[in-house]
Amino acid sequence: AQRVTQPEKLLSVFKGAPVELKCNYSYSGSPELFWYVQYSRQRLQLLLRHISRESIKGFTADLNKGETSFHLKKPFAQEEDSAMYYCAPTYLNSGGSNYKLTFGKGTLLTVNP
Amino acid sequence: DTAVSQTPKYLVTQMGNDKSIKCEQNLGHDTMYWYKQDSKKFLKIMFSYNNKELIINETVPNRFSPKSPDKAHLNLHINSLELGDSAVYFCASSPRTSGSYEQYFGPGTRLTVT
Repeated sequence: AQRVTQPEKLLSVFKGAPVELKCNYSYSGSPELFWYVQYSRQRLQLLLRHISRESIKGFTADLNKGETSFHLKKPFAQEEDSAMYYCAPTYLNSGGSNYKLTFGKGTLLTVNP
Repeated sequence: DTAVSQTPKYLVTQMGNDKSIKCEQNLGHDTMYWYKQDSKKFLKIMFSYNNKELIINETVPNRFSPKSPDKAHLNLHINSLELGDSAVYFCASSPRTSGSYEQYFGPGTRLTVT
């Protein structure tokens, strides 16, 4: 079974501090990896994906295939970053015809003033 | 222009009732999903439809029945509601083209069973 682990349920930092949200996934072929964010009482929205190698709202995530990790980082956290963050690897089935997004249990980030 | 919409936003009902949640997407996507987010914020996939065909059916009680009248709509009908069904249900859609598996989520339906 495909697995994704976000070891920290809660993460609290002060404004301006660096933040890293950890994510490890089980290896199966070449999953496509995403981070989704959910602000308080809002819908989930895509934050970033590994294939685009972009930085969104100051966040970056590097895929480390050796460690099967896709940690999310931001050098200087802002109060508006407080939200629930989900790591979500997407796996293709063996036939390559269907895919399934698997969500981690999420990390609630709180950025204190 | 709302990309993925759900109705109702809130649903409060009693145990034993039958209720439906509707979802519509105007993105032209082929694949639609239902997710359940429980009180601990765990997000779990329930169903996935591609062009009106069921492709993912996780371990969900058969009281839950998805229906897709066309590829822009995926409704969720729940029979004999139980207290444990209280959760936020999110609909999502995704293009099925290779290399783009990003999911677009609806605003969620907060179901409370009393």
